[in-house]
Amino acid sequence: ELKVEQNPLFLSMQEGKNYTIYCNYSTTSDRLYWYRQDPGKSLESLFVLLSNGAVKQEGRLMASLDTKARLSTLHITAAVHDLSATYFCAVDPISNDYKLSFGAGTTVTVRA
Amino acid sequence: KAGVTQTPRYLIKTRGQQVTLSCSPISGHRSVSWYQQTPGQGLQFLFEYFSETQRNKGNFPGRFSGRQFSNSRSEMNVSTLELGDSALYLCASSFTAWDRLAYEQYFGPGTRLTVT
Repeated sequence: ELKVEQNPLFLSMQEGKNYTIYCNYSTTSDRLYWYRQDPGKSLESLFVLLSNGAVKQEGRLMASLDTKARLSTLHITAAVHDLSATYFCAVDPISNDYKLSFGAGTTVTVRA
Repeated sequence: KAGVTQTPRYLIKTRGQQVTLSCSPISGHRSVSWYQQTPGQGLQFLFEYFSETQRNKGNFPGRFSGRQFSNSRSEMNVSTLELGDSALYLCASSFTAWDRLAYEQYFGPGTRLTVT
């Protein structure tokens, strides 16, 4: 069974500092997704990573994928308050079984 | 372009009752997936439909069922509700058919089901 592990599960960030969220997965995959969820809201797609070495950046967020290490990272640069949310990674296994497997989520709180 | 819509947004039911949730995908999207989100179990896959065919089902009891109509709209049904079925049920739609091209799921706002 595919396992997707995120760490840390909780992250208290100080404004202006840099942080990284890690997503490890247990099976072969070359497609990984990052989502953001605000409290009581649905999931918002942040990044779609489709190959080894893929790197995507949007504002203060940058995501990368290393398929050989089965690892994706979400890097936050100079954290600001509006980045407070829960971030999920999701893996689409190469077995093509029509579903995404999600990590447990990382709850981010940015403090002044 | 309208996003994924789900109805109802909130629902309160009693143990033993049944419930039907509805999802309308983004226009042109033919794949619809359902997920259950709870604080304890996180996001868990329920099932996926494409062109009215269920292509995969998660590890849920038979009380959970679904279907997809010819217009790609989908419904899921939970019979004999239990307290543990209280959750946010999310529907997601996608344009592609998992053909190894870029596949991105767009999520609806969810239906918050409370079972008392």
